[in-house]
Amino acid sequence: EAQVTQNPRYLITVTGKKLTVTCSQNMNHEYMSWYRQDPGLGLRQIYYSMNVEVTDKGDVPEGYKVSRKEKRNFPLILESPSPNQTSLYFCASRAGTGSTEAFFGQGTRLTVV
Amino acid sequence: SQQGEEDPQALSIQEGENATMNCSYKTSINNLQWYRQNSGRGLVHLILIRSNEREKHSGRLRVTLDTSKKSSSLLITASRAADTASYFCEGLESHAGKSTFGDGTTLTVKP
Repeated sequence: EAQVTQNPRYLITVTGKKLTVTCSQNMNHEYMSWYRQDPGLGLRQIYYSMNVEVTDKGDVPEGYKVSRKEKRNFPLILESPSPNQTSLYFCASRAGTGSTEAFFGQGTRLTVV
Repeated sequence: SQQGEEDPQALSIQEGENATMNCSYKTSINNLQWYRQNSGRGLVHLILIRSNEREKHSGRLRVTLDTSKKSSSLLITASRAADTASYFCEGLESHAGKSTFGDGTTLTVKP
């Protein structure tokens, strides 16, 4: 089954404790992206990757890092989480940046206290 | 800041009525897509319209795109209670990889 898998689904952590949210897709998609969703603000793009070893900033990259060492994986790293990073995070992949739909993971609800 | 804006923010209708949602964007796009989200779950793709298209249909969905006004609309005809969800538009820039979502419209369809 074609899918995008994020882990964990829920996470409560403390300020400053490094964490990684994993994202994996099994569709051999070149393009992957991370978004955060906050009430009333829709989805905002954090980082995206157009292929292995190619990443670029979205609209809200501050406080986040990503890596794309393999095509299927695109982890999101918070080196020193802060309470304003409490949010619902989504990973998505698509075949390319052309006219293709995005497939979304089920989301990771992160709370930073 | 969000470049995509959607209106209305919330829409409540009776089953069987039509629902229309609008989306505006600011930069040039390669295509515009509409997604549906059920209560905090992942988004599900509904329909895509390319920048050189004006209208597209898929089942009960009708999407229009006006590139001169940088706006799009999604019409759901003969709505059902199961259509209750949030709906988002996404503008994808040509080959640039950047995508921008609208703030979404929350649709409630009453049985």
